[in-house]
Amino acid sequence: DVKVTQSSRYLVKRTGEKVFLECVQDMDHENMFWYRQDPGLGLRLIYFSYDVKMKEKGDIPEGYSVSREKKERFSLILESASTNQTSMYLCASSLGSTFEPQHFGDGTRLSIL
Amino acid sequence: AQKVTQAQTEISVVEKEDVTLDCVYETRDTTYYLFWYKQPPSGELVFLIRRNSFDEQNEISGRYSWNFQKSTSSFNFTITASQVVDSAVYFCALKDYGQNFVFGPGTRLSVLP
Repeated sequence: DVKVTQSSRYLVKRTGEKVFLECVQDMDHENMFWYRQDPGLGLRLIYFSYDVKMKEKGDIPEGYSVSREKKERFSLILESASTNQTSMYLCASSLGSTFEPQHFGDGTRLSIL
Repeated sequence: AQKVTQAQTEISVVEKEDVTLDCVYETRDTTYYLFWYKQPPSGELVFLIRRNSFDEQNEISGRYSWNFQKSTSSFNFTITASQVVDSAVYFCALKDYGQNFVFGPGTRLSVLP
């Protein structure tokens, strides 16, 4: 079974802090994704990566950056956290083929005070 | 443009009732895939099914069944004899060529004992 592990289930940070969310997958998947989930809005794509050191902006990249130095790890960075970034963050991975399902981690519930 | 609509925000049923979750999609592509995911209270999205645009056969898996109708651009999900463990948020998603996954806003299902 695919295992996608997010480093924290709950995280509380302060406005202006630099925040790192880590995601690791163990199935050698080429593709990795970061979403945020907000009530009534479903999942919105922040960034994705189809290969090591490669990144692409999703629908809502503003205020975020990512890093993919190794195939199994995809990090989401909030450069200067703001209260409107309080949300549930979900990491996913999938095989390289276009139509493969995504496999998700448990999510990180991030609160910015 | 791609779009997935799940008109039912929340549904409550009593255990053993049947329930259908609606999903309507929009895409210009002729080749695409549709997905259903379940998100229990624990937070992880669990992949349930994938269906390609050329296969309109209904699918049944235990108490779950899916009805795909291209004529109405719908991919509905029915749970027969619902159980408390079915309580979750259910997401429908669309993937076509050259685009990322598009998720619907989700339907929260509560199954009451």
